[in-house]
Amino acid sequence: DSGVTQTPKHLITATGQRVTLRCSPRSGDLSVYWYQQSLDQGLQFLIQYYNGEERAKGNILERFSAQQFPDLHSELNLSSLELGDSALYFCASSVVGRGPPGTDTQYFGPGTRLTVL
Amino acid sequence: DQQVKQNSPSLSVQEGRISILNCDYTNSMFDYFLWYKKYPAEGPTFLISISSIKDKNEDGRFTVFLNKSAKHLSLHIVPSQPGDSAVYFCAASARGTQGGSEKLVFGKGMKLTVNP
Repeated sequence: DSGVTQTPKHLITATGQRVTLRCSPRSGDLSVYWYQQSLDQGLQFLIQYYNGEERAKGNILERFSAQQFPDLHSELNLSSLELGDSALYFCASSVVGRGPPGTDTQYFGPGTRLTVL
Repeated sequence: DQQVKQNSPSLSVQEGRISILNCDYTNSMFDYFLWYKKYPAEGPTFLISISSIKDKNEDGRFTVFLNKSAKHLSLHIVPSQPGDSAVYFCAASARGTQGGSEKLVFGKGMKLTVNP
């Protein structure tokens, strides 16, 4: 158990809909990262938050947005869903955004499997 | 443009023998490298990491070697155990680089099977 929790575990929805994925980081971790794993693909970085502020952005679609709340949990919002958005979405957290080796190892949650029909 | 490559999709070894998993990267700004193990229906589990200032890091049965000039790293598992059977991901970040970030760039993974 990494200490990172994600809900829901599974989500099935229809095209055009909007969903929210939730992540609670490990206790004490200030950074939250979101990754997407599509079929036959490695994990693709979407976005990072550090202590409530957006820190880095990857190839995140404009239909997707995220935020980190004062209690440090994070939500990933996916809207106008398309069939191609079906994937595993992972959240990871780390102690600090930058630091010496060993202080910013990212620990992953169990993921949310999104299926768009 | 795949910056982290795991060219072998799978590897099968006998229990007790050495498993060697390879990874190549193209971005010379990467300064921190990690290996993750992933079981089905679970998130990636951190195994071991290495900073670019080192060429070797060891943790129990797991050793990671980094060859910066070749832009190559490898994970050695000795001795291999059936419980090591999983998908292994190599990842890299340009953590300390000016303008860099902590985001991890992952390879596509390699499935390791350790046979009893």
